[in-house]
Amino acid sequence: QVQLQESGPGLVKPSETLSLTCTVSGGSVSSGSYYWNWIRQPPGKGLEWIGYIYYTGSTNYNPSLKSRVTMSVDTSRNQFSLKLSSVTAADTAVYYCARGLRTTPSFFDQWGQGTLVTVSS
Amino acid sequence: QSVLTQPPSVSGAPGQRVTISCTGSSSIIGTGYDVHWYQQLPGTAPKLLIYGNNNRPSGVPDRFSGSKSGTSASLAITGLQAEDEADYYCQSSDSSLSALVFGGGTKLTVL
Repeated sequence: QVQLQESGPGLVKPSETLSLTCTVSGGSVSSGSYYWNWIRQPPGKGLEWIGYIYYTGSTNYNPSLKSRVTMSVDTSRNQFSLKLSSVTAADTAVYYCARGLRTTPSFFDQWGQGTLVTVSS
Repeated sequence: QSVLTQPPSVSGAPGQRVTISCTGSSSIIGTGYDVHWYQQLPGTAPKLLIYGNNNRPSGVPDRFSGSKSGTSASLAITGLQAEDEADYYCQSSDSSLSALVFGGGTKLTVL
């Protein structure tokens, strides 16, 4: 059973860059069957898809965040990462990494436990 | 504001049947895109409940079922149990945004 685990700072200052990594175990990010996603959930609110990366490095970002998002994949470490620049308090959320099936539309069959990132000075 | 509209809350007594609706525009569900459903128990990550409108992953009880018609989809839960109390989200794709989208979520209360 594949498992995903988010890691990264829990506190980021306004205007700085949020950086998170998702480590995949029990499976490979190099599998051609999946997209590797980031999804976030502000406290007490709903889910927002941030984007995904494929093992080749191709990406698809949510247009609402596209100008601030960069995703990368490290197949040697079986990890993928998220960078979100110029953060504000509105970016405070639980950030999840999730595996998405290469269907149309994709859906998320495995999720990490999530990590809370707070944007505050 | 989500592009997929769900009722904020629904409730039912143990043993009853409840449904949760998910309504989208013509650029989402109306294009023929499938709808998927997730269950989020308090303090936990979402879990895939239904994929491809009406398919249950292994391990999901058959008390949960999904359907889709036109620009709307529905999740039905029969034989309601206390452990079903959770938030439920629908998800699809918006062709006009080229983005995966979620509904705003529905909180199910078991009375």
